[in-house]
Parts: sequence; structure tokens; C-alpha cells
Amino acid sequence: AQSVTQLDSHVSVSEGTPVLLRCNYSSSYSPSLFWYVQHPNKGLQLLLKYTSAATLVKGINGFEAEFKKSETSFHLTKPSAHMSDAAEYFCVRMDSSYKLIFGSGTRLLVRP
Amino acid sequence: DAGVTQSPTHLIKTRGQHVTLRCSPISGHKSVSWYQQVLGQGPQFIFQYYEKEERGRGNFPDRFSARQFPNYSSELNVNALLLGDSALYLCASSFGQGAINEQFFGPGTRLTVL
Repeated sequence: AQSVTQLDSHVSVSEGTPVLLRCNYSSSYSPSLFWYVQHPNKGLQLLLKYTSAATLVKGINGFEAEFKKSETSFHLTKPSAHMSDAAEYFCVRMDSSYKLIFGSGTRLLVRP
Repeated sequence: DAGVTQSPTHLIKTRGQHVTLRCSPISGHKSVSWYQQVLGQGPQFIFQYYEKEERGRGNFPDRFSARQFPNYSSELNVNALLLGDSALYLCASSFGQGAINEQFFGPGTRLTVL
């Protein structure tokens, strides 16, 4: 089945240090992939998306992700974490019928 | 501009009851999708409607149904509620289908079944 796997349920970083949230996907073709963020008591917000154009995708708030077909990965990174980045992050793929398939989520904690 | 709105924000029901959740998409958006997010998990796709027709259904029992109205708003109905239906129900709207059409999510309706 087409799916995404988020390798870490929790990631804790210090403010100002790099962020890496890992995601692997399974697919027999080049998928459309997304990262969404969910702050407490707020709706899901799209950070960035990959739709088979450039493999390095830049998103909002300084986040970016690199699509690596050889590794079937789509990891999310940010050079310097901010306290406001603390949230739940979801790696998502779109299947052939346009529905979104979410990973299980990674909770990012940012220590002062 | 208003984003996706959902009502009610919170709801408490008892087992066996039925519930109707409502979603108003962003103006001009013709596609509405529903997702269920159980605590501690990622959202799971329930339904997608585009131009008032069902275009996709997830792996949910027939107790779940939905419809889209001429103004593109949507309702999600759940009958014979079970404890396991307790979740955050999210609605997302987009202009059309496909990855080029960003799905914008509403804040959700939190349903508690006692």
C-alpha cells in the first residue's frame, strides 16, 4: 500500500539549532509529497509540497525538504529552530485518487 | 478572506446517537474533503466531494456519510455512534483536485462520544 513513515514520534532540539524531521515514502511512482504543521488548537497548515519539479523544495518559515528518490525519503529541515516551531508535523502523500495520506506525525519540542 | 469554517467546534454525544458536522469551504473552492484525526495519530481520509459528487471514500463503515450542497458547503453524518468515533474531524477545501490545488484545512470539530 502507498504510505508514508515518519521515523521519529518526538524530536527535541534547542532553540537556534538545526531541525531534521525524517520521512520515508513507499510508492511505485514519483509521488506528490507534502509537509503540514499542526499547532495546538489550530488547523493544519501547508509548509511545502513536492510535485516532481525541483527536488529541493523551499517552504514557509524557513523550512525546506529534499526529495531523494534513491532513498525514498522526503526529510524536512530548518537551519535554526525557533520557539514558535514547536508543533506536530505531518509528512503527507497524495494518492492517485487525490486523497491525502498522512504519516503518524512527529512532535517537535524546542528547548530555550 | 474567511478560511474554511466548521461547526460546531465541540460536540458531546452518547453511544448510539447520530451527529452532523458542517463545513463551509473557502469562497470559490469546489472540492471538500473530510478527515478523522484520532488523538495521537495522523488524520485519516473519510470522503472527498468535488462539484457535488463523491469522488473518493476512505475505509470507513457505512455509518459515515456525507454530501455537498450547491453552494459547495458540506455535511458529514455519522450514525450509531461508537466510543471509537471520538476524534477531531477536519474539513479541507481546495479549488479543484490534484496536487497543484492546495488543501486548506479548517480548525476541526472535536467529537466526544460517551
